[in-house]
Amino acid sequence: AQSVTQLDSQVPVFEEAPVELRCNYSSSVSVYLFWYVQYPNQGLQLLLKYLSGSTLVKGINGFEAEFNKSQTSFHLRKPSVHISDTAEYFCAVSNFGNEKLTFGTGTRLTIIP
Amino acid sequence: NAGVTQTPKFRVLKTGQSMTLLCAQDMNHEYMYWYRQDPGMGLRLIHYSVGEGTTAKGEVPDGYNVSRLKKQNFLLGLESAAPSQTSVYFCASSYSGTGYFNEQFFGPGTRLTVL
Repeated sequence: AQSVTQLDSQVPVFEEAPVELRCNYSSSVSVYLFWYVQYPNQGLQLLLKYLSGSTLVKGINGFEAEFNKSQTSFHLRKPSVHISDTAEYFCAVSNFGNEKLTFGTGTRLTIIP
Repeated sequence: NAGVTQTPKFRVLKTGQSMTLLCAQDMNHEYMYWYRQDPGMGLRLIHYSVGEGTTAKGEVPDGYNVSRLKKQNFLLGLESAAPSQTSVYFCASSYSGTGYFNEQFFGPGTRLTVL
């Protein structure tokens, strides 16, 4: 079985400050990892994904994430946030041959002007 | 190319009423999914389909039924709505279920309130 933990339900950050959203997963086999973003009153959009290869993954809107197998983590980072980054962020995990994604409970990112 | 669309966007039901939510995708995707989103619980999978004519149960299937008669459409039915089914429902689709093609594309959601 696979699972995802997002420990921070809410993260307030000042505009232009850096941010890290934490994601830890558990799985008995190799994983694929995803970060999705949900802007207010919208569906989810893919930010970035890790399938294999380089452990540092770059996504849209200046976000990046690092896959750390030993710590079973896939934290999302951005060096300087903007008001437009206000949204809820979901980490998700899947396994090869598994057609289902398992989502974390989400982290609400609030940008303080 | 509309991607994934959902109908309706909003709906209010009374307890015991029935309704069907429609999801349509124009990307020729094999896999389709129905999720519900509740505060603090993330997205939970209700049912999914790995191809036309197939359906399978997800994490929270009770009280819901689905059908995939056409590849592009995935219907979610509530036979007798209950207040516990008040939620935002999202449909998603993906090319396949493995590896690179497991990226899921989401619709805009349906906000359902059951009184």
